[in-house]
Amino acid sequence: AQSVTQLGSHVSVSEGALVLLRCNYSSSVPPYLFWYVQYPNQGLQLLLKYTTGATLVKGINGFEAEFKKSETSFHLTKPSAHMSDAAEYFCAVLIDSNYQLIWGAGTKLIIKP
Amino acid sequence: DSGVTQTPKHLITATGQRVTLRCSPRSGDLSVYWYQQSLDQGLQFLIQYYNGEERAKGNILERFSAQQFPDLHSELNLSSLELGDSALYFCASRGSGGTGELFFGEGSRLTVL
Repeated sequence: AQSVTQLGSHVSVSEGALVLLRCNYSSSVPPYLFWYVQYPNQGLQLLLKYTTGATLVKGINGFEAEFKKSETSFHLTKPSAHMSDAAEYFCAVLIDSNYQLIWGAGTKLIIKP
Repeated sequence: DSGVTQTPKHLITATGQRVTLRCSPRSGDLSVYWYQQSLDQGLQFLIQYYNGEERAKGNILERFSAQQFPDLHSELNLSSLELGDSALYFCASRGSGGTGELFFGEGSRLTVL
């Protein structure tokens, strides 16, 4: 069965430090992979996506993610955290022709001043 | 602004009651997805419609129903409400182009007392 695992329900980093949010997936087909962000009291917003082609994907707000097929991973990174990055981040994989997504449980990113 | 509109933003009601949540997708989007987000269950897919027809069902209770109208807006009906139904209910619409990106509304926060 297809699944998405996000390691760590909460990740805390200092402002200016590297952000690394982990996502591993299992999929029986070549995956389309997504990261969404949810700011407090808002809906989810697409951060970046991998479909085909270049495995390093750049998104909004300085985030990027690398698709590693051998590791079945799609970790999200940002070189330098800002206070405004505090939010919940969701990894998702597309699973069928109805464009259904399997979602990870989410990781809350906490930024320490 | 995602272009997806949900009403009402907040709703407080009592157990046993029935409520209707409304969603207007982005202009031109034919697909509507409904999700429930709660602290203990995370993001749960409920149901998907495409151009008025049900396409996929997720973890939707029998007490819940939905439909998509000819003008493409959708309604989620929740009946015989229980305390555990308190959650954020999100609507999302899918853009064209085949990569599965979802555009989320800001959600309807339901509180059942």
